[in-house]
Amino acid sequence: AQTVTQSQPEMSVQEAETVTLSCTYDTSENNYYLFWYKQPPSRQMILVIRQEAYKQQNATENRFSVNFQKAAKSFSLKISDSQLGDTAMYFCAFMTNTGNQFYFGTGTSLTVIP
Amino acid sequence: ETGVTQSPTHLIKTRGQQVTLRCSSQSGHNTVSWYQQALGQGPQFIFQYYREEENGRGNFPPRFSGLQFPNYSSELNVNALELDDSALYLCASSFPTQGSSYNEQFFGPGTRLTVL
Repeated sequence: AQTVTQSQPEMSVQEAETVTLSCTYDTSENNYYLFWYKQPPSRQMILVIRQEAYKQQNATENRFSVNFQKAAKSFSLKISDSQLGDTAMYFCAFMTNTGNQFYFGTGTSLTVIP
Repeated sequence: ETGVTQSPTHLIKTRGQQVTLRCSSQSGHNTVSWYQQALGQGPQFIFQYYREEENGRGNFPPRFSGLQFPNYSSELNVNALELDDSALYLCASSFPTQGSSYNEQFFGPGTRLTVL
């Protein structure tokens, strides 16, 4: 069974500062994908960043980057130069290489303070 | 190219009733997945439809059922509603990408169901 754990229910960060959201997961699979999704108050889930487990290089998308530690089964999200629009619920998610469903964590509510 | 749309936006039902939620997939997408997101929780996979056939199911009872139509739009039906069915219901559409085992899923805005 696949599980995803986000241990930080709420976080806040000053505008322009950097914040890191934590995520750990458990799986017996060797090939899989990891994701961070953003769900703003309007509710539509938006993909922030994706990491393939077979790639050692950490994914980066503009101000968003991940720290993927496969042996530790850890997948944290770093947001640099935080902006007010980053205020949202952030979900860490897992998908097996052969699967068709996401396994989501319980989310971290991030508030960017002006 | 239009995104994923869902209807209705909000819905209030009473316990024991039946409900139908609708999802229009993104143009060109032939796969639709449904998720239930209870308050304060992450989305939970209900089932997926691919080319009008169920293609995987999560840990939900049979009173959760679905359909996919030839135009790839989809319905989620829930019978004998229970209080715990109150949640945000999300659908996501995708299309298989050649040469990749990963198919990016695009989520709709959701339907907020309240069961009284």
